[in-house]
Amino acid sequence: AQTVTQSQPEMSVQEAETVTLSCTYDTSESDYYLFWYKQPPSRQMILVIRQEAYKQQNATENRFSVNFQKAAKSFSLKISDSQLGDAAMYFCAYPAGGTSYGKLTFGQGTILTVHP
Amino acid sequence: ETGVTQTPRHLVMGMTNKKSLKCEQHLGHNAMYWYKQSAKKPLELMFVYNFKEQTENNSVPSRFSPECPNSSHLFLHLHTLQPEDSALYLCASSPRIAGYEQYFGPGTRLTVT
Repeated sequence: AQTVTQSQPEMSVQEAETVTLSCTYDTSESDYYLFWYKQPPSRQMILVIRQEAYKQQNATENRFSVNFQKAAKSFSLKISDSQLGDAAMYFCAYPAGGTSYGKLTFGQGTILTVHP
Repeated sequence: ETGVTQTPRHLVMGMTNKKSLKCEQHLGHNAMYWYKQSAKKPLELMFVYNFKEQTENNSVPSRFSPECPNSSHLFLHLHTLQPEDSALYLCASSPRIAGYEQYFGPGTRLTVT
């Protein structure tokens, strides 16, 4: 069974500093997507960034970037120049069945606290 | 309205009540999903609809009954729920089910008394 593991239940960072959230996953697929979602206190799940497994280049979206290690099945999220508005629960997600099926499996989540 | 909307945002119901949750997406997507988010548990996929056809029922109890009349609307009918069904229920949509990112609504916070 495909699983997604986030080993850090909580993380904290000072405003303007950089933080990295970890995620590992298990799959037998060769072509798939990976996602990071953010859930602030409002509870609205917001897509942060998407990585396509066949692409060597790590995805970047403004202050958010990923370190994708396909062989190690690792997909970490780096937040640079952290802002107070980045405080949220972050979920790593993987669509079971690779590119052919939309059943997203989510990790347990990491609560990120940003200190002013 | 834009994106994915859900109503009501909060719902309190007794175990003998019947209620429905509504989800509407304004993104032109063809796939819609129901998730359950309980405290201290990962998001759990409940149902998947693709072009109005149910493609996944993730072993959900029959007291939850989904309905998808068209690609823009998704309902979750609730009856004789249990207190452990109290949770945040999230609706999502995606262009198709094949590996695309999903866009979520704000959720319905359900409390069963």
